[in-house]
Amino acid sequence: DTAVSQTPKYLVTQMGNDKSIKCEQNLGHDTMYWYKQDSKKFLKIMFSYNNKELIINETVPNRFSPKSPDKAHLNLHINSLELGDSAVYFCASSQSRGETQYFGPGTRLLVL
Amino acid sequence: SQQGEEDPQALSIQEGENATMNCSYKTSINNLQWYRQNSGRGLVHLILIRSNEREKHSGRLRVTLDTSKKSSSLLITASRAADTASYFCATDAGAQKLVFGQGTRLTINP
Repeated sequence: DTAVSQTPKYLVTQMGNDKSIKCEQNLGHDTMYWYKQDSKKFLKIMFSYNNKELIINETVPNRFSPKSPDKAHLNLHINSLELGDSAVYFCASSQSRGETQYFGPGTRLLVL
Repeated sequence: SQQGEEDPQALSIQEGENATMNCSYKTSINNLQWYRQNSGRGLVHLILIRSNEREKHSGRLRVTLDTSKKSSSLLITASRAADTASYFCATDAGAQKLVFGQGTRLTINP
């Protein structure tokens, strides 16, 4: 069974569209994260949730809105997509903050 | 600015040789972690070393931590083609998040 899964794996869309990425973990972890990895492989945290509560929001435009319906799921909705949003988005989870993180396979977003 | 910075940015060695990557950071940490990322995949956790530990081993991996120099190294012994990947260090500095460096791209030549 996949520990951290994301859908879709690839997402190609036009500028201005709205899209969502879903993430699920079956590890029973309390904390989940969204990261953005740019073309230079720099990995930057965007959001962190602990037991469905937002604990980190790293200066991300408010076009990005995370939603955690339960502690096993953390979805990312992006409004009015821009060219600069093109990147790989990774979901991750950990038992507690600061500990080992388990990453999903990534969602490759291309905005045209 | 970033917490962790890896050195070198890229490393190319022959299969069977040892590979050493270094990570420097700026502030006090609770722990430091190393991750591997194969091309087109997610990150995979390798080793976590806590601030009160100096060395840790896992199979062919050896990690050292020098808190006085704010640096860590990852040694991969007897490298294999399958070790080709990017390697990232990440630090837990108590801000409820890990901060990742930009990674070292390791290429193992057969």
